[in-house]
Amino acid sequence: DAGITQSPRHKVTETGTPVTLRCHQTENHRYMYWYRQDPGHGLRLIHYSYGVKDTDKGEVSDGYSVSRSKTEDFLLTLESATSSQTSVYFCAISVGREPTNYGYTFGSGTRLTVV
Amino acid sequence: QKEVEQNSGPLSVPEGAIASLNCTYSDRVSQSFFWYRQYSGKSPELIMSIYSNGDKEDGRFTAQLNKASQYVSLLIRDSQPSDSATYLCAVIQGAQKLVFGQGTRLTINP
Repeated sequence: DAGITQSPRHKVTETGTPVTLRCHQTENHRYMYWYRQDPGHGLRLIHYSYGVKDTDKGEVSDGYSVSRSKTEDFLLTLESATSSQTSVYFCAISVGREPTNYGYTFGSGTRLTVV
Repeated sequence: QKEVEQNSGPLSVPEGAIASLNCTYSDRVSQSFFWYRQYSGKSPELIMSIYSNGDKEDGRFTAQLNKASQYVSLLIRDSQPSDSATYLCAVIQGAQKLVFGQGTRLTINP
């Protein structure tokens, strides 16, 4: 286990409310990622970070923002949740010095339901 | 064309047989390739990585890479019921991002 903790594990929220998901790592890895997983779509990258305050967009970033003020924490915020954002969200870290080295290790996931 | 494509299955294999999972990718410059296993309700778990053309073996698992054909495969020998899971192919894109196929659901029948 690479020391990744996601919180909360489950959340139900109402349409239009802001939601923040947290990813915490204990091993000082540089690269962190947020994915969502939906049936028929596999895992899709939302945002990623390559250092404190350094973030970039993935393929499905609309409606999401991220922040990384400390190496160990990577936050994903849904500014105004919509039903289309109902999904399972996974945080991942790259355990090698470069992302190409060893693939990623995933957290346990957050199941988010927007009603 | 999707960047990483897999047959979604389900693929059904009898216990003890060889399970063969396939993946194609579109980015010709990709250099790093991975197979993940995901049990229902769990997070993806890395089981194989491959970077060079040819075969790479680890226990009952063999990953095969053919860069000219842009093709990656995973063979599981002596399949066990515990191998029943969804298998995700993933490719590094742009030196930083891992792009996944939609996964193949594998069922091993006792």
